Amino acid sequence: GAVVSQHPSRVICKSGTSVKIECRSLDFQATTMFWYRQFPKQSLMLMATSNEGSKATYEQGVEKDKFLINHASLTLSTLTVTSAHPEDSSFYICSARTLYEQYFGPGTRLTVT
Amino acid sequence: QKEVEQNSGPLSVPEGAIASLNCTYSDRVSQSFFWYRQYSGKSPELIMSIYSNGDKEDGRFTAQLNKASQYVSLLIRDSQPSDSATYLCAVNKPGNQFYFGTGTSLTVIP
Repeated sequence: GAVVSQHPSRVICKSGTSVKIECRSLDFQATTMFWYRQFPKQSLMLMATSNEGSKATYEQGVEKDKFLINHASLTLSTLTVTSAHPEDSSFYICSARTLYEQYFGPGTRLTVT
Repeated sequence: QKEVEQNSGPLSVPEGAIASLNCTYSDRVSQSFFWYRQYSGKSPELIMSIYSNGDKEDGRFTAQLNKASQYVSLLIRDSQPSDSATYLCAVNKPGNQFYFGTGTSLTVIP
């Protein structure tokens, strides 16, 4: 199957700082990538859809000024959590689709202290 | 109405038994169907895709699709403790719209 990578796998930051998470499709081009968040023992929650060369589409309730998404190339999307707070601590997972299937990155565990 | 529905479980089966996971979807135009496995603390991993009615087998896993009844199932034969995970069902509709179920938690008891 297709490979999606994410970096970093874990990050700890202080409250008020910003954190950038990178998502790359390694062996295919992805015009669309997706960012999910998952709290412990809860389901995946789609945060936003990232479109190469255009603005991201955010799900209802997700603050676009807080979660900045940039999809600068067909293989790279970034999610920046700005002015992070402890309630932003979560497991962030990116995903990308080939023509028929959707693959997930390994996830980034963010802890805000 | 949710696009994809799954029983959240937990489903417990003894080691060596057959685990049966079920999923229903609401839109008849759904075209392709997927099962993902998610271990605790990890991201989902695609384990099966099925596109046409009937059964598709891959090792100990069999996906079953019944478009008339709008359900998809995953059978795991000879269940192992390492199969303990949450299994997510997903469907793809025209326009490449993916919808995920909330997952069924499976525990295989040694």
